[in-house]
Amino acid sequence: EVQLVESGGGLVKPGGSLRLSCAASGFTLSTYSMNWVRQAPGKGLEWVSSISSRTTYIYYGDSVKGRFTISRDNAKNSLYLQMNSLRAEDTAVYYCARDSEAAAGTGGHFSHWGQGTLVTVSS
Amino acid sequence: SYVLTQPPSVSVAPGKTARITCGGNNIGSNSVHWYQQQPGQAPVLVIYYDSDRPSGIPERFSGSNSGNTATLTISRVEAGDEADYYCQVWDSSSDHWVFGGGTKLTVL
Repeated sequence: EVQLVESGGGLVKPGGSLRLSCAASGFTLSTYSMNWVRQAPGKGLEWVSSISSRTTYIYYGDSVKGRFTISRDNAKNSLYLQMNSLRAEDTAVYYCARDSEAAAGTGGHFSHWGQGTLVTVSS
Repeated sequence: SYVLTQPPSVSVAPGKTARITCGGNNIGSNSVHWYQQQPGQAPVLVIYYDSDRPSGIPERFSGSNSGNTATLTISRVEAGDEADYYCQVWDSSSDHWVFGGGTKLTVL
């Protein structure tokens, strides 16, 4: 069974940093692209970042580019999101999602999602 | 940037058919995916590549995509279908994933 478990969320002050992790199990992580999607309280889904299976291709949404860094460690079955210079508008539940394809940016779908981790940016 | 437009809400009586639209410029030339999100839950894929259905998703869920509109159709709607629904496409011109704003389906 495919499982994705996010961790690392919490309360952080504006300008601070946080690193999210996503532990994958039930499949071979190195075979798939992975994604981060967030959802602010009471709002819709917003794509954050995608990384291809071998880290060849990385993409970021406009609102996080230059502040967030996606990475992965296939040997540890883990996906990461380093978030720097956090702002109040980054407050959201962050989901990791497995792509259906190895190559990011090919239009594959997000076949499996974790339950999310809440990030709150507030002073 | 590419924009996907969904109606904020759709209401339907039990047993009837619900249609949720997703509008975008020439969206018919893109592959559209649809997700269902129950309150407090993570999204679940219900339709991919316009009209394919993942295993475990009832046949009542179907999709189509042509011209400037993609449509998620839910036949014989049940109370358990009440949820938020999101469409998604990959915008190759910007190398960005785009989600629609979401549609809240209410079962009357």
